[in-house]
Amino acid sequence: DTGVSQDPRHKITKRGQNVTFRCDPISEHNRLYWYRQTLGQGPEFLTYFQNEAQLEKSRLLSDRFSAERPKGSFSTLEIQRTEQGDSAMYLCACGGNYEQYFGPGTRLTVT
Amino acid sequence: AQSVTQLDSQVPVFEEAPVELRCNYSSSVSVYLFWYVQYPNQGLQLLLKYLSGSTLVKGINGFEAEFNKSQTSFHLRKPSVHISDTAEYFCAVSEGAQKLVFGQGTRLTINP
Repeated sequence: DTGVSQDPRHKITKRGQNVTFRCDPISEHNRLYWYRQTLGQGPEFLTYFQNEAQLEKSRLLSDRFSAERPKGSFSTLEIQRTEQGDSAMYLCACGGNYEQYFGPGTRLTVT
Repeated sequence: AQSVTQLDSQVPVFEEAPVELRCNYSSSVSVYLFWYVQYPNQGLQLLLKYLSGSTLVKGINGFEAEFNKSQTSFHLRKPSVHISDTAEYFCAVSEGAQKLVFGQGTRLTINP
């Protein structure tokens, strides 16, 4: 157990619906990352926060995706108007000096 | 841009046999290297990391890896595997406290 928690663990939604995921990181780590992992692939970077500031966003993060980290604590990732291609595992990680510690992930299935 | 290539998508081995999972990377600057393990339906667990210093790094569960700068490789090894080592293994690279770039993963299957 890395101390990083994600909620929910599983989410099934219909195409076109909005979904929101939450990540609660280890409290002393000020860096927080979101990744997406599709079946049989390695995780791909989505976005990165240092405290409450969103410092980098991947081109994978279309305008239907938005992430926030109010007050530099927990973070949320919202996907609007979900598409079947959004089905994936969404992983949150928080950063020490160099390594990252991952949560258990949220598996999203869009039907 | 950084990239990571894991040369084997699947590696089957017998229990108690040695194993090597291969990883090559490309980067224009100094990098930090990591191996993570992922068990089914779980997040990633850090096995070991190379930041600087000795090129042979030891991690959890008896795994070790060797950083070879001239060959841009960071292969993972274990002298004797157990059934419980069955999992997906990911090699990753970063440039400091930045995003991780992962390889495609290697599925390690241990046969009794």
